[in-house]
Amino acid sequence: QSALTQPPSASGSPGQSVAISCTGTSSDVGGYNYVSWYQQHPGKAPKLMIYDVTKRPSGVPDRFSGSKSGNTASLTVSGLQAEDEADYYCSSYAGGHSVFGTGTKVTVL
Amino acid sequence: QVQLVESGGGVVQSGRSLRLSCAASGFTFRSHGFHWVRQSPGKGLEWVAAIWYDGSKKYYGDSVKGRFSISRDDSKNTLYLQMNSLTVEDTALYYCARDITFTGLDSWGQGTLVTVSS
Repeated sequence: QSALTQPPSASGSPGQSVAISCTGTSSDVGGYNYVSWYQQHPGKAPKLMIYDVTKRPSGVPDRFSGSKSGNTASLTVSGLQAEDEADYYCSSYAGGHSVFGTGTKVTVL
Repeated sequence: QVQLVESGGGVVQSGRSLRLSCAASGFTFRSHGFHWVRQSPGKGLEWVAAIWYDGSKKYYGDSVKGRFSISRDDSKNTLYLQMNSLTVEDTALYYCARDITFTGLDSWGQGTLVTVSS
């Protein structure tokens, strides 16, 4: 159960877009359409932003979108805002268990 | 509104046991599966365990398999995590979370801190 690979950091100016990758294997990301993305601000619990690769829970802005190609999933944040500065984690079903990504710190410049 | 409140954390010696609880309110408890996720200080998220909505299936991460046990009491709207043979590597903030799909955890508690001393 190795963690999914994410870049440690990503950044963009307000209004710009940032994309975060999440690389796994055919046993997790590539094998199922069960990839989720979480946003976590310091000292707070994670918040679900995307599930089932592309679905947004009620209340999540449509600036957040998800996609997947092969063993790599991506989260794109368009129109960056100051409040988007946070840690982001992907998660994938892996056949009887879940695995999280290593996390990406997004900085709004 | 949906609320999950964890309790039971604390400081415990290596090798001992601890039971965490997660009290749920504001929704139909028996309709959802639940998970425990932990986060060591300054580190990333680690999935720990999950239980189906009807309790029929339970799943565990490799690092806790054979030592931790997840359960639920629908009459009390409460989720549990029994943790045995604790090691210093189990030191973390433990969150309970409700699922809408196996990896789609849409509601989280505030976490309860477990510190294992040697």
